[in-house]
Amino acid sequence: NAGVTQTPKFRVLKTGQSMTLLCAQDMNHEYMYWYRQDPGMGLRLIHYSVGEGTTAKGEVPDGYNVSRLKKQNFLLGLESAAPSQTSVYFCASSYRNRGGTDTQYFGPGTRLTVL
Amino acid sequence: GNSVTQMEGPVTLSEEAFLTINCTYTATGYPSLFWYVQYPGEGLQLLLKATKADDKGSNKGFEATYRKETTSFHLEKGSVQVSDSAVYFCALSNQFYFGTGTSLTVIP
Repeated sequence: NAGVTQTPKFRVLKTGQSMTLLCAQDMNHEYMYWYRQDPGMGLRLIHYSVGEGTTAKGEVPDGYNVSRLKKQNFLLGLESAAPSQTSVYFCASSYRNRGGTDTQYFGPGTRLTVL
Repeated sequence: GNSVTQMEGPVTLSEEAFLTINCTYTATGYPSLFWYVQYPGEGLQLLLKATKADDKGSNKGFEATYRKETTSFHLEKGSVQVSDSAVYFCALSNQFYFGTGTSLTVIP
């Protein structure tokens, strides 16, 4: 099993450009998540999904959109990138969120720089 | 609302020293609590967890006890190794809430 994979690993954008980050998992997990990691801020939840075809907002959703058309994939889109979106982005998945006890499995991260 | 507060780092210890990283939380109900570890250049991975009060999670020599009366879940290890150098995150039920992370460096 590959676990959770993220594409691309690194990306540099100019302000106003758009891009899509792809997350894929092969563990048949129901739940998937997108976080951003910034120095001194820890991880903050952007969006999450509780199943195919569903998405929900997290703590910092502004400027991002997501889609979960297939159970194994969770896409994060930036329609018009801003320097404030420079960050490391992590995708995670879990089998389900049974009372908040299930472990999340994380991808290796995507380092995004917006100039 | 829910939140997690972690002690600020960075923490630098000599090999074989005792480690404590403090974590306190605010939550409604009875959350589960987690410690994740992030090694350089990698994603987070679960270190240990506890799902109810007075539970002790343990793994790789690390331990943490779920203390409902003090709303805490402090991470401890009796003798750290160089290979323990990483960033440690405390997280709350649903894992929607993470602490800011504590960077640990262990020197030989």
